[in-house]
Amino acid sequence: DIQMTQSPSSVSASVGDRVTITCRASQGISTNLAWYQQKPGKVTKLLIYAASSLQSGVPSRFSGSVSGTDFTLAISSLQPEDFATYYCQQANSFPFTFGGGTKVEIK
Amino acid sequence: EVQLVESGGGLVQPGGSLRLSCAASGFTFSNYNMKWVRQAPGKGLEWVSYISSSSSNIYYADSVKGRFTTSRDNAKKSLYLQMNSLRDEDTAVYYCARSLVVAARLQGMDVWGQGTTVTVSS
Repeated sequence: DIQMTQSPSSVSASVGDRVTITCRASQGISTNLAWYQQKPGKVTKLLIYAASSLQSGVPSRFSGSVSGTDFTLAISSLQPEDFATYYCQQANSFPFTFGGGTKVEIK
Repeated sequence: EVQLVESGGGLVQPGGSLRLSCAASGFTFSNYNMKWVRQAPGKGLEWVSYISSSSSNIYYADSVKGRFTTSRDNAKKSLYLQMNSLRDEDTAVYYCARSLVVAARLQGMDVWGQGTTVTVSS
């Protein structure tokens, strides 16, 4: 199975900060990676698919990039509604494993 | 409005069974592959199973293989998860989700339900 190592597990940041979250795949997955946002009591939301494609309706302050087996989700200017937990998931081969999650908290 | 609504969760004893349902609306259900994902209390997301649009391909996580069965009824726009031989570690919120396909490749899940809670305890 492909392991997804996500870091950091939590980050404290202020409104307006740039935040980056990284996922490393244990083997090559091309660009078959998605990023999700999860908030308590809300439906989980797809942010990025195919490593860097922005899902419809997602603000442009979210972006995804890839370098080899390292994937990055960046939030260019953190907004109050962005405080949440973020997960990566590889979509290259079954089982479609998730990273451990990153909780973005208010500083 | 595109929507997925799960139901069927509850409290069950270890070794027991439960059947979850997921009702789809607002899109052509028969055109989409579907997945089940779960989240144990205070833990991260775990992919559970996948079923293709025509039910021709079904895959499971090793943790549930042989105990869980995924099926669908396209006429009823519904997805199901039959869970047998339940264990304490199956306690979780179970989500159904729609697969996103881009250029003939699976690329994550673009619609999620709110989830239904399964508690396995004596």
